[in-house]
Amino acid sequence: EIVMTQSPATLSVSPGEGATLSCRASESVSTNLAWYQQKPGQAPRLLIYGTSTRATGIPARFSGSGSGTEFTLTISRLQSEDFAVYYCQQYNHWPPLTFGGGTKVEIK
Amino acid sequence: QVQLVESGGGVVQPGRSLRLSCAASGFTFSNYGMHWVRQAPGKGLEWVTVISYDGGSEYYADSVKGRFTISRDNSKNTLYLQMNSLRAEDTAVYYCAKDIAAVGTALGYWGQGTLVTVSS
Repeated sequence: EIVMTQSPATLSVSPGEGATLSCRASESVSTNLAWYQQKPGQAPRLLIYGTSTRATGIPARFSGSGSGTEFTLTISRLQSEDFAVYYCQQYNHWPPLTFGGGTKVEIK
Repeated sequence: QVQLVESGGGVVQPGRSLRLSCAASGFTFSNYGMHWVRQAPGKGLEWVTVISYDGGSEYYADSVKGRFTISRDNSKNTLYLQMNSLRAEDTAVYYCAKDIAAVGTALGYWGQGTLVTVSS
């Protein structure tokens, strides 16, 4: 099973600033990586798949990069609606599909 | 627009069974793999199972293998999860989710979830 590790666990950011979230895989997942956003009491929402392809309706301030075992989600100019928990997920070696433990982006 | 609506959650005693349903609309259900993902209270996401677009293949997390069964009825645009021999650690919100492809990739749309509580 591929283990996904996200860092940091919590990121404190002021509105308007940028944020960089990291995700590491225990072995290479190529570019088969997705990012999700989850707000309290809501279902997760797909942000990015294939490491860098934004899902339908996702603003350009969200961008993804990386390959192999190291991946990054960058959020430029955070807006109030961006404060949430973010999860990465690999789909290169499955079953099982595996998620990272999440990074909470909170208001500084 | 894509809609996924789960139902069937509730409180159940350990060792008993429960069947969840997920009604899909707004897309060609028979073209996509479908998943169940769960989230224990205050915890992260855990993938549970997936079924291919035609129901020909299904895969499970080790934690539920032999106890849970995923199925689908493409004529009714409905996904199911039969959960047997439930344990306290199965307590979670269960989400159904639509794959972005035929099976086993990213999860493009999610339902609102249904809460399953296993308790005596």
